[in-house]
Amino acid sequence: AQTVTQSQPEMSVQEAETVTLSCTYDTSESDYYLFWYKQPPSRQMILVIRQEAYKQQNATENRFSVNFQKAAKSFSLKISDSQLGDAAMYFCAYRSARSGGGADGLTFGKGTHLIIQP
Amino acid sequence: GAVVSQHPSRVICKSGTSVKIECRSLDFQATTMFWYRQFPKQSLMLMATSNEGSKATYEQGVEKDKFLINHASLTLSTLTVTSAHPEDSSFYICSAWTSRADTQYFGPGTRLTVL
Repeated sequence: AQTVTQSQPEMSVQEAETVTLSCTYDTSESDYYLFWYKQPPSRQMILVIRQEAYKQQNATENRFSVNFQKAAKSFSLKISDSQLGDAAMYFCAYRSARSGGGADGLTFGKGTHLIIQP
Repeated sequence: GAVVSQHPSRVICKSGTSVKIECRSLDFQATTMFWYRQFPKQSLMLMATSNEGSKATYEQGVEKDKFLINHASLTLSTLTVTSAHPEDSSFYICSAWTSRADTQYFGPGTRLTVL
C-alpha cells in the first residue's frame, strides 16, 4: 500500500514571501501521479498542481511549483509571493497510474496548515 | 466547467435512522465516483469507489452494509448511511472522475451529525 507523509502540521509565512511545504511518499510502483490540493475553511478541495511520475520536468502553475525527486520519493510544493488567499490546509496526494483506463482513489497525507502573516 | 454538487450540505439525524447523500457531476459525465470521509482536523480517507452500473468497491475496514453506494447514472452517485450512530458523524466528500481530463473533481462536502 502507498503512504503519503507530510511532516509539517503547520507552517507560517509572511505575505509576499516564499514558503515550501514538504511531502514524501512510499510506493513500489513506477508509474503514478502526485497532487497538491488546497482546502480552505469552506472545505472545498481545490486542485493546486499535479505531477506525472514519468515526467522529469517539475510542474508549475503560476506562483505554485513543485520539486519532484522521484528517487528520493519527495514532492514538495513551493508557493511564491504568498497571498492572504493562500491560507488553507494543503494536502499532498498520491494516485496509482492504472493501465487500461479508469482511475483509483487518492491517498492523502495528513495535511499542512498554512498561515499567511499580513 | 467540471462542477460537482453534493446534497444536502448539512444533515442532522437521530441515531438509528438512515441518511442519503447525493453527489452529482453537473456538466460532465463521470465514469467513476469516489467517496471520502474526513474527521475534524484530519485528512481525507477513501471509503469506496463506484463505477456507473456496477457494484461499489469498498476500502478495507469500511462496512459495505452500513455505507450503501449506488451509481445509477454517469452523473449521479448516492451514499446512504444506514442505521446511523454518533460515531458516523463526519464530513463526507465525493469526487467525480472524468477520463477526458483524467482528473478528480471534488464536491463541497456534506456534514453529517448523528445525535
